[in-house]
Amino acid sequence: DAKTTQPNSMESNEEEPVHLPCNHSTISGTDYIHWYRQLPSQGPEYVIHGLTSNVNNRMASLAIAEDRKSSTLILHRATLRDAAVYYCILEKGSNYKLTFGKGTLLTVNP
Amino acid sequence: DAEITQSPRHKITETGRQVTLACHQTWNHNNMFWYRQDLGHGLRLIHYSYGVQDTNKGEVSDGYSVSRSNTEDLPLTLESAASSQTSVYFCASSESLGLSNNEQFFGPGTRLTVL
Repeated sequence: DAKTTQPNSMESNEEEPVHLPCNHSTISGTDYIHWYRQLPSQGPEYVIHGLTSNVNNRMASLAIAEDRKSSTLILHRATLRDAAVYYCILEKGSNYKLTFGKGTLLTVNP
Repeated sequence: DAEITQSPRHKITETGRQVTLACHQTWNHNNMFWYRQDLGHGLRLIHYSYGVQDTNKGEVSDGYSVSRSNTEDLPLTLESAASSQTSVYFCASSESLGLSNNEQFFGPGTRLTVL
């Protein structure tokens, strides 16, 4: 299965934008890019996903490189409630299985 | 509102005992999943099901079994609990939309301690 690489941790200030990077150089044409986050002592929650085009929803934006070998999750204005571990995951099309890595621990400073 | 629940939330058991963790979802989702989460490993897939009577092994299935007799429930059984199975267990469900896994909804987790 294709792997993802994320920084172990990142830090941001409240109300500033946050760009969380993910490398997936071995991605195949049918792999979807998913982002989940896990707040302390909770189960993971879905953030966003995409295939080729950039995606926006109420939580975040997903920017996908043209060659699809990397992507960036963008939180437009970080809040203290956004402090969590963020997982970048590749899913084979119609597979429905998610393989979680270790993710990026995002700290948001007041 | 639709939801996914897990019970018990906390469980302490002894080595060698059989333990069953319950997962119940009211989303009417076809897909259900069990993960375990340990420090330093992230979440790892134990078993999954794409529908009633369907079960599949995940990455770390040894020592675990599941059965899917209806859409709503996927109980996870540890046949003979071992200390290595001390972990936090998460259940999840998702809808089959044909092209991709739109969103997996996760339960609150069960913290299992095997002494």
